[in-house]
Amino acid sequence: NAGVTQTPKFQVLKTGQSMTLQCAQDMNHEYMSWYRQDPGMGLRLIHYSVGAGITDQGEVPNGYNVSRSTTEDFPLRLLSAAPSQTSVYFCASSGRTGGSNEQFFGPGTRLTVL
Amino acid sequence: LAKTTQPISMDSYEGQEVNITCSHNNIATNDYITWYQQFPSQGPRFIIQGYKTKVTNEVASLFIPADRKSSTLSLPRVSLSDTAVYYCLVGDMRNTPLVFGKGTRLSVIA
Repeated sequence: NAGVTQTPKFQVLKTGQSMTLQCAQDMNHEYMSWYRQDPGMGLRLIHYSVGAGITDQGEVPNGYNVSRSTTEDFPLRLLSAAPSQTSVYFCASSGRTGGSNEQFFGPGTRLTVL
Repeated sequence: LAKTTQPISMDSYEGQEVNITCSHNNIATNDYITWYQQFPSQGPRFIIQGYKTKVTNEVASLFIPADRKSSTLSLPRVSLSDTAVYYCLVGDMRNTPLVFGKGTRLSVIA
């Protein structure tokens, strides 16, 4: 199993550009989520999905869109990049079986917006 | 969502036992207590989870008193490789997504 994969690993954007961060998991997990982590800070939840076709907002959803057309993939779209979106983005998935709060995280995408 | 409070940072020497305490006064009946570890430039990694009393695995122990308003993560005989940020989370992902705080930055010194 590859686990949770994210692409790209690094990205530099100019203000106003749009892009999609890719996330995929091969564990057949229902639950997937996107977090951002700013330097020296904890993780903040952007969006999450409890299954294909279902998404919901987290703590900091503004400026981001998500969709979940398949169980495996959960892309995050930046509509019009701003310098405030410079951050490290982590995708995670979880089976949530038996009350477990275990999430499996991807390696992250480091995004810089100029 | 139950809020958690934990120390911002801790230092320890190699070989010592480290205890990190987390306060969660408004924990709900159905909430679990979960700890994650994050190394620099990596995503967080699940360490341990419990509901009450004591849980132990190959990495750590988790102590939860009867009132469940706090919990203590215990790392036995830490090494330099245990230097990381440790997050305490409270909740049940079947009902609501987990919220990460700022965590506790543990520095292990040789």
